[in-house]
Amino acid sequence: DIQMTQSPSSLSASVGDRVTITCRASQGISNFLAWYQQKPGKVPKLLIFAASSLQSGVPSRFSGSGSGTDFTLTISSLQPEDVATYYCQKYDSAPFTFGPGTIVDI
Amino acid sequence: VQLLQSGGGLVQPGGSLRLSCAASGFTFSNFAMSWVRQAPGKGLEWVSAIGGSRDTTYDADSVNGRFTISRDNSKNMLYLQMNSLRAEDTAVYYCAKTSSNWFSEIDYWGQGTLVSVSS
Repeated sequence: DIQMTQSPSSLSASVGDRVTITCRASQGISNFLAWYQQKPGKVPKLLIFAASSLQSGVPSRFSGSGSGTDFTLTISSLQPEDVATYYCQKYDSAPFTFGPGTIVDI
Repeated sequence: VQLLQSGGGLVQPGGSLRLSCAASGFTFSNFAMSWVRQAPGKGLEWVSAIGGSRDTTYDADSVNGRFTISRDNSKNMLYLQMNSLRAEDTAVYYCAKTSSNWFSEIDYWGQGTLVSVSS
């Protein structure tokens, strides 16, 4: 099975900072990758699909890039409401594994 | 889109439980569905998925042979039958809709239901 890793596992940044989270697949998955945001005590929310497509209603400060094995989620200007855990998920084929998550704090 | 879950609770190790998810606001049979769980204080874990037409299912190795995902497109219902439950199955279980008839990103989530496995 393809393994998904994320780095860093946690980060602390200031309001207005540019934040980058990396997700890596152990084998190529083309662009079949999604990013989710989960705020404490809340249901996960889809941010990015197909590696770089912004889900409707998601602020444009979120962006995704990558293909194959290496992917990034970027928050161009961190806002207080972005405090959350961010997960990547592969969906090229089963199992549809999630990454371990990255905690973003301010 | 609404995904209304029911069926969680406390069960003893080795016991069984069935989770249900009532879907509304979209053409249910046109979309693949999944179950995702989250153990207390842990990350998201994909559990099972089923195609829109019911003929294809996938399960994580951790639940293979114990859990069965199914759907009733006539009732707009998704199910997860969980047998031989273990302490490590304790988690909040989410019903999840994908964005297409085949397996793709999850665009809507249910509210979650807690399953606790303990004696």
